[in-house]
Amino acid sequence: DTEVTQTPKHLVMGMTNKKSLKCEQHMGHRAMYWYKQKAKKPPELMFVYSYEKLSINESVPSRFSPECPNSSLLNLHLHALQPEDSALYLCASSQEGLPGAGELFFGEGSRLTVL
Amino acid sequence: DAKTTQPNSMESNEEEPVHLPCNHSTISGTDYIHWYRQLPSQGPEYVIHGLTSNVNNRMASLAIAEDRKSSTLILHRATLRDAAVYYCIVDAGNMLTFGGGTRLMVKP
Repeated sequence: DTEVTQTPKHLVMGMTNKKSLKCEQHMGHRAMYWYKQKAKKPPELMFVYSYEKLSINESVPSRFSPECPNSSLLNLHLHALQPEDSALYLCASSQEGLPGAGELFFGEGSRLTVL
Repeated sequence: DAKTTQPNSMESNEEEPVHLPCNHSTISGTDYIHWYRQLPSQGPEYVIHGLTSNVNNRMASLAIAEDRKSSTLILHRATLRDAAVYYCIVDAGNMLTFGGGTRLMVKP
């Protein structure tokens, strides 16, 4: 199994809603990542978890709250989002959190629309 | 982080080789060079990576300049399915920062 699975594929939410994006991998990878991608732009790193601990937070607003319940799962909790947060949210994983020695496996993304 | 510079877009004919260039003049000695591609409506996909020597795999070849300030991704025979945005990334630690990428268009 070399897949990273993201749910839901599409999400529409209002600015007062609370929702979550989920990501799962069963490759035994110990690092997981959240990226945000706006239309026609490259992915931007948001968070990195290494061995279930948050190791990088790229100055992301607190309305985005990541959670790594175990080494296979990564969540992104969303609350009080703004319309400009509408984007494709990509989850990725890697074996040891050291991409220099390996590769990132990406999911297909969750497309979020904030009304 | 080392920055990368790529052409915004390139065009190729089907079944011809494609050479996608990338400049990374501020690369450090221990930084790996990665290439990913993103097909329409999909997440990025790993293509190849290397440090100093040229690398080959089933998807592509990576040619790294001797001074490591530039590299070239080589697709030996482009197919329509290779139409994608190709990202050259220099890894400066335990994360990958994507640059602008090159949109490759393949003509039949």
